[in-house]
Amino acid sequence: EIVMTQSPATLSVSPGERATLSCRASQSVSSNLAWYQQKPGQAPRLLIYAASTRATGIPARFSGSGSGTEFTLTISSLQSEDFAVYYCQHYNNWRPFFGQGTKLEI
Amino acid sequence: QVQLVESGGGVVQPGRSLRLSCAASGFTFSSYAMHWVRQAPGKGLEWVAVISYDERDKFYADSVKGRFTISRDNSKNTLYLQMNSLTTEDTAVYYCAKVRLVGATYYFDYWGQGTLVTVSS
Repeated sequence: EIVMTQSPATLSVSPGERATLSCRASQSVSSNLAWYQQKPGQAPRLLIYAASTRATGIPARFSGSGSGTEFTLTISSLQSEDFAVYYCQHYNNWRPFFGQGTKLEI
Repeated sequence: QVQLVESGGGVVQPGRSLRLSCAASGFTFSSYAMHWVRQAPGKGLEWVAVISYDERDKFYADSVKGRFTISRDNSKNTLYLQMNSLTTEDTAVYYCAKVRLVGATYYFDYWGQGTLVTVSS
């Protein structure tokens, strides 16, 4: 079973600054990785898929990188609406594997 | 536009049953595998079950295997989750989610708003 580990658990950043979130897979997942954003009381929203492709309507300040076992989500200049929980996810043999999430706080 | 609307949540006693529904619209429901994903209060996302587009394949998380049953009615564009022998550990918001094939893998491109299931005596 693939284990996705995100770090840090909580990241405190000021508006306008850059945020870097990490996700590590227990074995290589190639570029088959997605990032989701979840705000309180809302469903998750797809941000990035295939490690680096922004989903429809996602602002350019969100970028993803990495392959194999190490991945990064970067938010270049934080806006107030970006403070949320972020999850990475890999999909294999019919099932998804989620990281435990990184809470991005002000 | 794609819409997924869950219903059927509520408060239920331990050991009882509940059936969740997810009404889909805005896409060809019968062409896509569908998932249930849950989130306990203050916790992360936990996958529950998946069903293939034609209902031939169904898979479950170990935590619900033998107690939950996923099904679908393509004529009604509706996904179901029958939950039996509920425990307090099943308390969560339950989301239905649609997957999109990209290359050789899948991503969740649409989620419902979720329905809260509370198991309590």
